[in-house]
Order: sequence, then C-alpha cells, then structure tokens
Amino acid sequence: DIQMTQSPASLSVSVGETVTITCRASENIYSNLAWYQQKQGKSPQLLVYAATNLADGVPSRFSGSGSGTQYSLKINSLQSEDFGSYYCQHFWGTPWTFGGGTKLEIK
Amino acid sequence: QVTLKESGPGILQPSQTLSLTCSFSGFSLSTSNMGVGWIRQPSGKGLEWLLHILWNDSKYYNPALKSRLTISKDTYNNQVFLKIANVDTADTATYYCARITEGRGLYAMDYWGQGTSVTVSS
Repeated sequence: DIQMTQSPASLSVSVGETVTITCRASENIYSNLAWYQQKQGKSPQLLVYAATNLADGVPSRFSGSGSGTQYSLKINSLQSEDFGSYYCQHFWGTPWTFGGGTKLEIK
Repeated sequence: QVTLKESGPGILQPSQTLSLTCSFSGFSLSTSNMGVGWIRQPSGKGLEWLLHILWNDSKYYNPALKSRLTISKDTYNNQVFLKIANVDTADTATYYCARITEGRGLYAMDYWGQGTSVTVSS
C-alpha cells in the first residue's frame, strides 16, 4: 500500500498569511493526487485534482504543485473561510489512501 | 446539479451487518468514467477510503476490510449500496459516499454526500 505522509499536522496562522501543506507519497504516484478541505461538521470538498488542477469554483488563492512523491497545497492570503482541515489523497492504485490531515487554525 | 445523500440505520449492535444506501442525482452510473465510492471518518480522526464501484461494475476494495465489504449499484434508480458484515465498535464513524470521475487515467472525488453517522454499540 502507498502511504501518504502529510505535514504539518496542525498550523496556527493569521488572516492574510500564506501557508503551504505538503504530502509525501511512499512511492511515485504520477500526479494522481487530490486535495480536500473539510470544515468542522461538514463533508470534505475537492480543492485540487491531478495534483495541479483547481476544482470548479475554488478560489485562485489555492494552488497545487508537485510530482513524483512530493506534493504541496499553497494558500495565498488566507481568508477566514479557509480555516479547517485539509487532506491529500492519492489515486495511484488501490487502496486510495489519505494523508493524516492538517488542521489549520486561526492565530 | 450533482447531489448525493447517505442513509443508514444510525445505530446497530456488534456482529450485525451494516447496510448503507447512497442515493444520488445529477449524474448516472451508466455514463462511462463515473463511479461512487465510500469513505468513513471516526469522530475527530482522519478519512479512510473503503471501496468504490465504477460505471462498468468494476469494484475495488480496501484490502484491510475486503472480507467484510460488499458494494452494489442500482443504475436505474441512481443508488449504490454498501454492506459491512460483522461490525464492531471500531466501525463507529461517519460514512460518506462520493462521486468519482475519471479522465485520462486521473481520478477525483468531486462531490460528496453530507455523511451519515453510524454507531456500533451493545
């Protein structure tokens, strides 16, 4: 099974700051990676697919990058609505595992 | 407009079989490159992919749970069914279904249901 190591596990930031969350796969996943945002008590929402493609309706301050085993989600100029948890997920062969999550909190 | 909604028993006892239904609209599982997956999340913890079914009836299972999982679909009525046999307290979680789209070999779970809470307790 491919393991997804996500970091950091938690992050305390202020509105307006820029943050980067990373996911490292235990083997090459050839950009078969998605990022999700989950707010407390809500279902996850797709932000990025195929490592770099923004899902419909996702603000341009979000961006995905990476290749091989290393991937990142960058959020420029954090807004109050961006706080919550973020997860990566690979799609390179089953099981489709998720990263452990990053909890983004307001400083 | 794509929507998915999970339904289930809410609470059940250890050793019973959990049956969940995902009812969806706005897409069809007769369309190529579409699928529906199930994901669960224990309270306060991360996400776990369980299994999924594709438009061509291909099925993929989490090997850690495969012996207990069954997935099926009713294409005509836009529903997908999940059964988990012999549940125990570790199966207590919120269960989500999600639409899967595939394009040029790349996948995404682009729409999710609201989730249904399942508690296993004696």
